[in-house]
Amino acid sequence: AQKITQTQPGMFVQEKEAVTLDCTYDTSDPSYGLFWYKQPSSGEMIFLIYQGSYDQQNATEGRYSLNFQKARKSANLVISASQLGDSAMYFCAMREGSSGTYKYIFGTGTRLKVLA
Amino acid sequence: DTGVSQDPRHKITKRGQNVTFRCDPISEHNRLYWYRQTLGQGPEFLTYFQNEAQLEKSRLLSDRFSAERPKGSFSTLEIQRTEQGDSAMYLCASSSLKGRKLGMNTEAFFGQGTRLTVV
Repeated sequence: AQKITQTQPGMFVQEKEAVTLDCTYDTSDPSYGLFWYKQPSSGEMIFLIYQGSYDQQNATEGRYSLNFQKARKSANLVISASQLGDSAMYFCAMREGSSGTYKYIFGTGTRLKVLA
Repeated sequence: DTGVSQDPRHKITKRGQNVTFRCDPISEHNRLYWYRQTLGQGPEFLTYFQNEAQLEKSRLLSDRFSAERPKGSFSTLEIQRTEQGDSAMYLCASSSLKGRKLGMNTEAFFGQGTRLTVV
């Protein structure tokens, strides 16, 4: 069964510093996608970055990058040059590609607080 | 394209009453999802549609919950005989395979959710 684990309930980072949010996953499907979402206090889930299981390179989107270590089943989100507006909940999610299910499974999230 | 829209944004109801939420996905997105999120937790999958067909339902979805997507466009989620444990944020999301390679995963786009409080 697919599972996402986020072990950091909360993280603090100084403005302009980089921060890594951890995510490990479990699946037996060789085809899957990993996603990170940001949820500010307003409640909307905002898509940040995607990594496919067959992608050879780590995904990057602006200040976001994904440290994908397939053998360790980890997909950590790295936010560079943190900004005050990055303070939010961050969720790691996975969707299997060939198991016949198309649902996204989410972790419990990490609350990030950026300090001025 | 205005994104995924959910209505209402907030709903307060008395225990035992029925409630219905509406979701308008991004136009032409063929997949639509419903999730429930309680405080401090990640979204929990409830059900999803591909076009008008409901293809998967979570075991979390009791008989009091029903979802429809009659024309493959908007969707409704109804909760009958609400209980205090139903209090949560109900999130709708949509996704599409258009423009992507077959078999590649695509991100889901979420609405702002409907916050339900059962008193």
